[in-house]
Amino acid sequence: DTGVSQNPRHKITKRGQNVTFRCDPISEHNRLYWYRQTLGQGPEFLTYFQNEAQLEKSRLLSDRFSAERPKGSFSTLEIQRTEQGDSAMYLCASSLVRGAEATNEKLFFGSGTQLSVL
Amino acid sequence: DAKTTQPPSMDCAEGRAANLPCNHSTISGNEYVYWYRQIHSQGPQYIIHGLKNNETNEMASLIITEDRKSSTLILPHATLRDTAVYYCIVRVAWSQGAQKLVFGQGTRLTINP
Repeated sequence: DTGVSQNPRHKITKRGQNVTFRCDPISEHNRLYWYRQTLGQGPEFLTYFQNEAQLEKSRLLSDRFSAERPKGSFSTLEIQRTEQGDSAMYLCASSLVRGAEATNEKLFFGSGTQLSVL
Repeated sequence: DAKTTQPPSMDCAEGRAANLPCNHSTISGNEYVYWYRQIHSQGPQYIIHGLKNNETNEMASLIITEDRKSSTLILPHATLRDTAVYYCIVRVAWSQGAQKLVFGQGTRLTINP
């Protein structure tokens, strides 16, 4: 078990370009989350998956953002036509939840992908 | 979810107990108190959580007041590696709901040698 893995660790792009980030959760974890964190602030929830189903999306997730989790394994977060305001740390987290254990859910976070839009 | 109030920063000497306070005066009966921390350049790390009883694990202790309006996270013997931002979060835990944790700005704890 190597924990939650995110790639790349850093991404620099020009405004208007598309970027894609990948998250590999802890093996057999059925929930996967995406959060975004800007400098000096706490992380903000973006979206989450239960297995392959995307069950909730934050209002922060504009239509330029799309996330997928094919086959309930790894996930990708794509940002189209990037803007300077998209510059942030994008964090992925996973958890294993079985029924009533949801009340004690613990999230395991990756180290994030730092996006800089020039 | 209820809002929390934490001091922006605290210092503690290495080897001493670090006591981090959190106010959550509007907490509801079905809301849990969670603590996560974030070491520089890493993602947040789960520490502990509780509903109304005090809790202890290998990392820390959580003391929740009887009226549940405040709590204290205790790191019994702080080390330099405990320097981090500590987040106190309260959330409703439904059987099916997601952990949409609402992070505030947390407390920046600095452990001094």
